[in-house]
Amino acid sequence: SYDLTQPPSVSVSPGQTASITCSGDTLGNNYACWYQQKPGQSPVLVIYQDSKRPSGIPERFSGSNSGNTATLTISGTQAMDEADYYCQAWDSSTVVFGGGTKLTVL
Amino acid sequence: EVQLVESGGGLVQPGGSLRLSCAASGFTFSSYDMHWVRQTTGKGLEWVSAIGTAGDTYYPGSVKGRFTISRENAKNSLYLQMNSLRAGDTAVYYCARGLGGYSYGWWFDPWGQGTLVTVSS
Repeated sequence: SYDLTQPPSVSVSPGQTASITCSGDTLGNNYACWYQQKPGQSPVLVIYQDSKRPSGIPERFSGSNSGNTATLTISGTQAMDEADYYCQAWDSSTVVFGGGTKLTVL
Repeated sequence: EVQLVESGGGLVQPGGSLRLSCAASGFTFSSYDMHWVRQTTGKGLEWVSAIGTAGDTYYPGSVKGRFTISRENAKNSLYLQMNSLRAGDTAVYYCARGLGGYSYGWWFDPWGQGTLVTVSS
């Protein structure tokens, strides 16, 4: 089976840049997307097709995908960005999710 | 406003069955692929099934043969029939609209609020 690996946790100071990685074999050959999930809420799409932002998602969210790693970058991180983030990709006709990363803003 | 509302979750014994429903509104339901995704405390998010606009269905190995996804476009509704349930199927089940497609992969937007399924004796 195809696995996507994320760090369990990432910490960032307010106003700084947070980077969350997602690693998988030749992940760069597939599209990756990212979801934000706050406690008690459903996941929300923040990046799709590696680097595109859905309507309503702030410009501080950006994404990239190359080689074996996709990266979600949050510039000028705000307290409201504290959440769990999940990457997702498509491999061999199966949707695959990463294990999630808890972003702490402190 | 695009909205998805799940229902039908609850407590079921191992080996039992349950049918989940998802009511869609705010978009042309028949024009979109639809999915079920579940979330467990221990394993995070797991894709459970997909149904295309033509009724084509897709499942991962973990549920194939036990779960059946279906849709009723006239009622803007998505369903998930779950049979032979196991403790490992305990999770919050989300309905989600699929964008992209089978060829290059889907992404999900939006998600419903979820419905909890607990499999326990």
